[in-house]
Amino acid sequence: ETVLTQSPGTLSLSPGDRATLSCRASQSVRSNFLGWYQQKPGQAPRLLIYSAGTRATGIPDRFSASGSGTDFILNIVRLEPEDFAVYYCQQYGNSPRTFGRGTRVEI
Amino acid sequence: QVQLVESGGDLVKPGGSLRLSCAASGFTFSDHYISWIRQAPGKGLEWVSYISTSSFTEYADSVKGRFTLSRDNAQNSVYLQMNNLRAEDTAVYYCSRGHYGMDVWGQGTTVIVSS
Repeated sequence: ETVLTQSPGTLSLSPGDRATLSCRASQSVRSNFLGWYQQKPGQAPRLLIYSAGTRATGIPDRFSASGSGTDFILNIVRLEPEDFAVYYCQQYGNSPRTFGRGTRVEI
Repeated sequence: QVQLVESGGDLVKPGGSLRLSCAASGFTFSDHYISWIRQAPGKGLEWVSYISTSSFTEYADSVKGRFTLSRDNAQNSVYLQMNNLRAEDTAVYYCSRGHYGMDVWGQGTTVIVSS
């Protein structure tokens, strides 16, 4: 299966900072079918990005993502208080689908 | 509004069975893939299974042969039949909509496998 390695495990930042999250796949993700999700405590995950770089409906443009093959990045500029959460990448190009272990963005 | 609602979570003994349901509303259910994702207490997300619009299914290795996913488009529902449950199946189970990114999620239902 495709193992997704997210780094760093935890990112300690302040509101207004920029966050850069990495997701590396153990093999190339077919068609760059990779998504990013945000999860806050006690809530279901929320889709931020799909197909490696396309923002989902309603996602503010301070979230952006890029990458291809095995290396993918999620950037969050001008962190807002509500952005402090856990972020997961997930690939759906290879079988079986897999998630990374998450990056916690904390104050 | 667009919504998914899971139900069926419970406390069950190891080796037991449970059937989870996911009821959809507010969109054309038959046009969408539905997935199940679970989250063990304090842990990350684990993809479990999906069912396509034509009822093709795929499963994570950890549940293959024990879990079966089906859909009933007339009832706008999917069903996850879970057999031979193990302690490591303890988790919140979410259903979600979508193939290219899962854009709608339910609130989750809790499954606890314990003697």
